[in-house]
Amino acid sequence: EVQLVESGGGLVQPGGSLRLSCAASGFTVSSNYMSWVRQAPGKGLEWVSVIYSGGSTYYADSVKGRFTISRDNSKNTLYLQMNSLRAEDTAVYYCARDVYGGPGLDWFDPWGQGTLVTVSS
Amino acid sequence: DIQMTQSPSSLSASVGDRVTITCRASQSISSYLNWYQQKPGKAPKLLIYAASSLQSGVPSRFSGSGSGTDFTLTISSLQPEDFATYYCQQSYSTPRPTFGQGTRLEIK
Repeated sequence: EVQLVESGGGLVQPGGSLRLSCAASGFTVSSNYMSWVRQAPGKGLEWVSVIYSGGSTYYADSVKGRFTISRDNSKNTLYLQMNSLRAEDTAVYYCARDVYGGPGLDWFDPWGQGTLVTVSS
Repeated sequence: DIQMTQSPSSLSASVGDRVTITCRASQSISSYLNWYQQKPGKAPKLLIYAASSLQSGVPSRFSGSGSGTDFTLTISSLQPEDFATYYCQQSYSTPRPTFGQGTRLEIK
């Protein structure tokens, strides 16, 4: 069964750091595009970052320079290192496999269950 | 950035109703449009990809159509388990996709 399980969320003070993990089973992280998507409380979905199978990484402007996406192939796990956290980063963070269907065509499936990050003093 | 606008933002309907949700892109995105369903406290679930392709395991009462800037998600006969929030998402501007603001489907 293809599955993603996130961990690492919690309460952190503004300016602090946190690292999220996303353990995959049923497929190989390094052979796929993998994304992080977040959802602030009561709000919609916002794409955060992607890592391609070749290793290229991309970020939303709102997190660029503060967040770093990476993976550990030996652990089949995706990570999101979040530094200089702000109150507006408070959200449930989901990891998702970014299925490539051709140039410009891709979709998120499956998604993990999410992990809550709260940035507050 | 490509803006995605869904309408309506919320909708009340009854079991058995036919429901249509619209998603409009701020520029042409060809058929690079996906639909997700999200229930409270749960992760989103893929329903439709590439505007009209039904994801494996998704009931056939769900369908998608459209291309260019205007897209629709249709549920032919609402079931109790369909009451949820629905999001569209464009991948035309990959690697930076964007989502619509969501449509909340409630029981009348």
